[in-house]
Amino acid sequence: LAKTTQPISMDSYEGQEVNITCSHNNIATNDYITWYQQFPSQGPRFIIQGYKTKVTNEVASLFIPADRKSSTLSLPRVSLSDTAVYYCLVGDMDTGRRALTFGSGTRLQVQP
Amino acid sequence: DAEITQSPRHKITETGRQVTLACHQTWNHNNMFWYRQDLGHGLRLIHYSYGVQDTNKGEVSDGYSVSRSNTEDLPLTLESAASSQTSVYFCASSESILVTSYNEQFFGPGTRLTVL
Repeated sequence: LAKTTQPISMDSYEGQEVNITCSHNNIATNDYITWYQQFPSQGPRFIIQGYKTKVTNEVASLFIPADRKSSTLSLPRVSLSDTAVYYCLVGDMDTGRRALTFGSGTRLQVQP
Repeated sequence: DAEITQSPRHKITETGRQVTLACHQTWNHNNMFWYRQDLGHGLRLIHYSYGVQDTNKGEVSDGYSVSRSNTEDLPLTLESAASSQTSVYFCASSESILVTSYNEQFFGPGTRLTVL
């Protein structure tokens, strides 16, 4: 599985847009990029997944440049409840099955 | 609603004891996973299963075992608990999917295990 690199922590204020960038220089052709969110004392929760260009859902947007060596999770207008750890994962989907490899993630702290 | 549950939520045990953590999912997912998360770190894969009677070792499998006798359950056993196994344990499941769809994993609430 491709290795990912993310900032250890980020700080923001309520109402701001937060962008978390993940580096995955060794991403393979068949790899998808997935982001999970984890609140304290809870299991991770799927946020968004993409392969190229831009993906948007009701929670976030995911921007992936043409070379796919990085990706950016964008959280619009964050609130205090967005304080969590965010994990970027890269993995192969061809087999239809996948165990996830989590790095240390990015700890986002949102302040009032 | 379908869900994934873990029990117990908290467990304190002594070094050398055998401990079993339960994981039960009602999604009818074929794929199930066990992870551990140490304080301030990401999750590490212990064991996983792609279906009944199938089990595979993950990144940190030493000292742990699993068995899959039905689709719903994947119990994790610590054969002889060690202090280094003090951690939070998460179970997860996902369905076997077509290549064109994505493989979201659904996580349980976790079990906090303390080995004294």
